[in-house]
Amino acid sequence: NAGVTQTPKFRILKIGQSMTLQCTQDMNHNYMYWYRQDPGMGLKLIYYSVGAGITDKGEVPNGYNVSRSTTEDFPLRLELAAPSQTSVYFCASVPKGGVRRVTEAFFGQGTRLTVV
Amino acid sequence: AQSVTQLDSQVPVFEEAPVELRCNYSSSVSVYLFWYVQYPNQGLQLLLKYLSGSTLVKSINGFEAEFNKSQTSFHLRKPSVHISDTAEYFCAVSYNQGGKLIFGQGTELSVKP
Repeated sequence: NAGVTQTPKFRILKIGQSMTLQCTQDMNHNYMYWYRQDPGMGLKLIYYSVGAGITDKGEVPNGYNVSRSTTEDFPLRLELAAPSQTSVYFCASVPKGGVRRVTEAFFGQGTRLTVV
Repeated sequence: AQSVTQLDSQVPVFEEAPVELRCNYSSSVSVYLFWYVQYPNQGLQLLLKYLSGSTLVKSINGFEAEFNKSQTSFHLRKPSVHISDTAEYFCAVSYNQGGKLIFGQGTELSVKP
């Protein structure tokens, strides 16, 4: 199994450009998440999804959009890139557990985005 | 608001010395606790987790953490560190079954020879 795959690994954007960060998981996990990681700040949740067709905002959603048309894919869209969006982005997935079952998150390798 | 605090941003230690990385979380009725490790230019990997039962949990590479409900802490320890333990360590909390994680700020462990 490939696990959680993110593309691209690196990208440089100019201010105002748009792009989509791709995330695919082949583990049939219900829950998927997008985090951004900034130095000294840990990881902040941008958006998450509990299943196909369902998405919700996390802690820092401004400037981003997501969709979840399939269980496998959870792309993150930046419409008008700003320097404040320079960060490392991680996608994660979690299987749906039973009652009282909490399972670990599986992370992709990250996308390093620079906005200049 | 729910939060996780890692009290040390950087911890330099010498090889074979013991180490403790501290983590405190905001109180809740039920909580699930995790430590993740991130090696340079890689994603996060689960190191260990507390879901229920024994308050002392251990990883396969010698780390352990103890859940202390009264102090709302989940400190990570290792009695003797190796150069290969150099990485950033993140404490994380989940308050429900859906797996949404709240992360601490991270602690950079630097092991020197």
